[in-house]
Amino acid sequence: DTEVTQTPKHLVMGMTNKKSLKCEQHMGHRAMYWYKQKAKKPPELMFVYSYEKLSINESVPSRFSPECPNSSLLNLHLHALQPEDSALYLCASSQVYRGRNTGELFFGEGSRLTVL
Amino acid sequence: DAKTTQPNSMESNEEEPVHLPCNHSTISGTDYIHWYRQLPSQGPEYVIHGLTSNVNNRMASLAIAEDRKSSTLILHRATLRDAAVYYCILSGTVIYNQGGKLIFGQGTELSVKP
Repeated sequence: DTEVTQTPKHLVMGMTNKKSLKCEQHMGHRAMYWYKQKAKKPPELMFVYSYEKLSINESVPSRFSPECPNSSLLNLHLHALQPEDSALYLCASSQVYRGRNTGELFFGEGSRLTVL
Repeated sequence: DAKTTQPNSMESNEEEPVHLPCNHSTISGTDYIHWYRQLPSQGPEYVIHGLTSNVNNRMASLAIAEDRKSSTLILHRATLRDAAVYYCILSGTVIYNQGGKLIFGQGTELSVKP
């Protein structure tokens, strides 16, 4: 199984809603990532988890709250978002061996979020 | 974060080789050079990465300049399926020292003509 599965594929939410995006992988990878991608732009790194601990937060607003409950699962909790947060949210994972990232990230297809 | 510079777009003919350049003059000694591509409506896909020596895999070859300030991704025979945005990215690999911090630049949009 070399897949990263993201759910839901599409999400529409209001600015007062609370919702979550989910990402799952069963490749035994110990690093997981959230990226945000606006149309016609490159993916922007948001968060990196390593061994279920947050290792990188790229100054993301607190209305985005990541969670890594176990080594296979990564969530992104969304609360009080703005319309400009509408984007494709990509999850990725990679293998870590003796503290070193193998360099090969496996990406999911993304969750397309629309904030009304 | 060290920066990469790529042409915005390139065109290729089907079944011909494609050389996608990337400049990274501020690369540090521990930075790996990664290439990813993103096909329309899909997440990015790993292509290849290397440190100093040229690298080959089933998808492509990576040629790294001796001074490491530039590199070239080589697709040996372009197919229509290779039409995508190609990203050249620098990153260290030590996860506890910002390793795994892959920052995507603008990339090169490759179109392939039949």
